Amino acid sequence: EVQLVQSGAEVKKPGESLKISCKGSGYSFTSYWIGWVRQMPGKGLEWMGIIYPSDSDTRYSPSFQGQVTISADKSISTAYLQWSSLKASDTAMYYCARSPGSYYNVWGQGTLVTVSS
Amino acid sequence: EIVLTQSPGTLSLSPGERATLSCRASQSVSSSYLAWYQQKPGQAPRLLIYGASSRATGIPDRFSGSGSGTDFTLTISRLEPEDFAVYYCQQYGSSAYTFGQGTKLEIK
Repeated sequence: EVQLVQSGAEVKKPGESLKISCKGSGYSFTSYWIGWVRQMPGKGLEWMGIIYPSDSDTRYSPSFQGQVTISADKSISTAYLQWSSLKASDTAMYYCARSPGSYYNVWGQGTLVTVSS
Repeated sequence: EIVLTQSPGTLSLSPGERATLSCRASQSVSSSYLAWYQQKPGQAPRLLIYGASSRATGIPDRFSGSGSGTDFTLTISRLEPEDFAVYYCQQYGSSAYTFGQGTKLEIK
């Protein structure tokens, strides 16, 4: 079964760092892009960026460039999304999703990140 | 950046009725690069349609997509109770993706 399994919910304080993960299984991890999508509470989907694990080619939405870092470790079929200094406005559900190119056909279950003092 | 505007924001219909959801782009989108997703409360989005009109694996044939250029449509021919959810369109172009703001399909 093709699946993406994300790391568990996180509760952090403003200013702290965080790295969440997305592990792929059941397919060739290096043959598909992995994207990250933010969904703030009660809001819509926002595309953050995408990485091709085979060569770590990474693209960011202008809205998220410089705010987060996307990376991947193909040896363990895992992609990551990280923050160096969280803000309260980073509170959201974060989804990873697999893309063959122009759409997302497999989604992770989501990781809820809560940032509160 | 291409902006996708979905309408209506909320659509109230009854089971068995036909639903027509619109997605309008701020500039032309290749039909190959337009997709639709369904999201139910507490769940991750699910791919319904890609390439503007191709159904994803396992999607019932009551779901269909159409359109080209700047105007795209998702049609649900006969609403089932499980179809009431939020629907998003998404485009890909110039190495970037954008989503529409969503249409909530609610039971009337």
